[in-house]
Amino acid sequence: GAGVSQSPSNKVTEKGKDVELRCDPISGHTALYWYRQSLGQGLEFLIYFQGNSAPDKSGLPSDRFSAERTGGSVSTLTIQRTQQEDSAVYLCASSLRQGGRYEQYFGPGTRLTVT
Amino acid sequence: GDSVTQMEGPVTLSEEAFLTINCTYTATGYPSLFWYVQYPGEGLQLLLKATKADDKGSNKGFEATYRKETTSFHLEKGSVQVSDSAVYFCALSDRDDYKLSFGAGTTVTVRA
Repeated sequence: GAGVSQSPSNKVTEKGKDVELRCDPISGHTALYWYRQSLGQGLEFLIYFQGNSAPDKSGLPSDRFSAERTGGSVSTLTIQRTQQEDSAVYLCASSLRQGGRYEQYFGPGTRLTVT
Repeated sequence: GDSVTQMEGPVTLSEEAFLTINCTYTATGYPSLFWYVQYPGEGLQLLLKATKADDKGSNKGFEATYRKETTSFHLEKGSVQVSDSAVYFCALSDRDDYKLSFGAGTTVTVRA
């Protein structure tokens, strides 16, 4: 079946602009996760959703970052007033349920470059 | 909090050589342990996993054993191929947790 998809695959934006990154999880997966992969910080957890709720947003780097999930499916990560340090690959993952025993399936990522 | 430490790379090997990537972890609960692989230009893929002590995960000739006494989950392959060139990430997730904590990643290059 279809895997996790993300769009766009690449995004170049000017400093100060807002960007939206989209994630389509595997159908039927109730848990959805956002991670960020950057040269200086490695792979960092940002936020996760159980259904449409985000019980823990503590991984979001600043209040410029927000995310939502609708219909228990598609999720959007929004970065307002982008800064150069936001440049990274943003990865989305989904799993059947929450918990370490459930495999997380990753999308191909969105490479964000802030100029 | 939970954390993962893996050996720094880069690692360069010749084809058919033995590969070991060390990984140790710190966790308060009973974590599941994972190895993820990222091939050049591709996304992150699960390579293998182990969910309890003494479990051995294996896939594509790679193996790792969950050692609770040494809090380790070292990745091994007996004979690497050029196609194994990738970045390897060790990760953990606590049983009731929702996030993966990753190591820094180890870049492996296999030369023909």
